[in-house]
Amino acid sequence: DAKTTQPNSMESNEEEPVHLPCNHSTISGTDYIHWYRQLPSQGPEYVIHGLTSNVNNRMASLAIAEDRKSSTLILHRATLRDAAVYYCILRDPMNYGGSQGNLIFGKGTKLSVKP
Amino acid sequence: KAGVTQTPRYLIKTRGQQVTLSCSPISGHRSVSWYQQTPGQGLQFLFEYFSETQRNKGNFPGRFSGRQFSNSRSEMNVSTLELGDSALYLCASSLTSGRAREQFFGPGTRLTVL
Repeated sequence: DAKTTQPNSMESNEEEPVHLPCNHSTISGTDYIHWYRQLPSQGPEYVIHGLTSNVNNRMASLAIAEDRKSSTLILHRATLRDAAVYYCILRDPMNYGGSQGNLIFGKGTKLSVKP
Repeated sequence: KAGVTQTPRYLIKTRGQQVTLSCSPISGHRSVSWYQQTPGQGLQFLFEYFSETQRNKGNFPGRFSGRQFSNSRSEMNVSTLELGDSALYLCASSLTSGRAREQFFGPGTRLTVL
């Protein structure tokens, strides 16, 4: 899996938007960009994923640069419950079968939300 | 729909013992993956099972093993426990195997080795 780079930590105020960056300069043409987050004392949970176009769901938006070498996870209005470690992961859907069907987590970004 | 369940949630063992952890995936999910999380190494992939077959294995010693049953439930076993095996063990399930599918994680089993 291609490598991703994220800031170690970020802070946000409650009810303000948060932009979490991820650099992935070695991304291949078939790599999907996945985001997971892990709240304290819980297992990771899926947030969003995309390939080329920006994506929106009920949790967040994913903005992907035109050259796909970077992406940004956007939380539109941070809440205290959004305090978590956010992981940006690249996964190639073309490697099915016996290839690497696992998530390779980096260190992620620890997001703190202040009331 | 019930989420991924793991039992037990907490476990304390002593060095040299063995331990078995259980994971029940979301109904209909056939792929189960196991991860180890420690403060120093972060989240690391252990192995993945799909339709009772081990599909992938991470870089862990042979003391770590697993299996999957016909109902997709999975167990992992760690023999001859070492202090360094103290960790949060997470199980994740998905509908299919492969690198594009979303994984759903359980709450984990916290293993402490004394």
